Amino acid sequence: GENVEQHPSTLSVQEGDSAVIKCTYSDSASNYFPWYKQELGKRPQLIIDIRSNVGEKKDQRIAVTLNKTAKHFSLHITETQPEDSAVYFCAASKGAGKSTFGDGTTLTVKP
Amino acid sequence: GAVVSQHPSWVICKSGTSVKIECRSLDFQATTMFWYRQFPKQSLMLMATSNEGSKATYEQGVEKDKFLINHASLTLSTLTVTSAHPEDSSFYICSARIGGAGDTQYFGPGTRLTVL
Repeated sequence: GENVEQHPSTLSVQEGDSAVIKCTYSDSASNYFPWYKQELGKRPQLIIDIRSNVGEKKDQRIAVTLNKTAKHFSLHITETQPEDSAVYFCAASKGAGKSTFGDGTTLTVKP
Repeated sequence: GAVVSQHPSWVICKSGTSVKIECRSLDFQATTMFWYRQFPKQSLMLMATSNEGSKATYEQGVEKDKFLINHASLTLSTLTVTSAHPEDSSFYICSARIGGAGDTQYFGPGTRLTVL
């Protein structure tokens, strides 16, 4: 089955700096890659997603890039703010199938 | 739109009792719902995939007789933890996918189960 690896497990940045989280996947048939933000004790919230026919997608301060050949995708957050502090999960799925999640990255943005 | 609710938000029960958790899609029909378990500071572990009108598909290592899943309608799936034990204490989260609309999953707020 699909295997998703996520790095780093923890990331601490200064407010205003950029943060990058990387994920690799194993199944070349995966074609949908969402990113979720989860605050402590709350539900995961979809923040951005990308499909395999697109190489990059941006939404204000958040961007995701996908390299299908290398089977990796990354989340980029620019101009980080303290409210960006949370756990971020990447995931990979095929068509209408189940998603496989990465282990998560705890992002801390220091004011 | 795409709101998913879960009930209860937290529950404390005695060892040996059964607990039912409900997952509802409030403003859309969900042909597929997923049940996850999450331990503190860990990732989401998929337990089972619930399809309306059919038997749930369980992930390897998940006891289907222990975790009963019923998806009786397009807006409701239930997870029953039978004969709960302290090791079943965890955060249980459901998610729902809009039928025919792609892969996006919308998560419920989760249920914190504590078994004494």
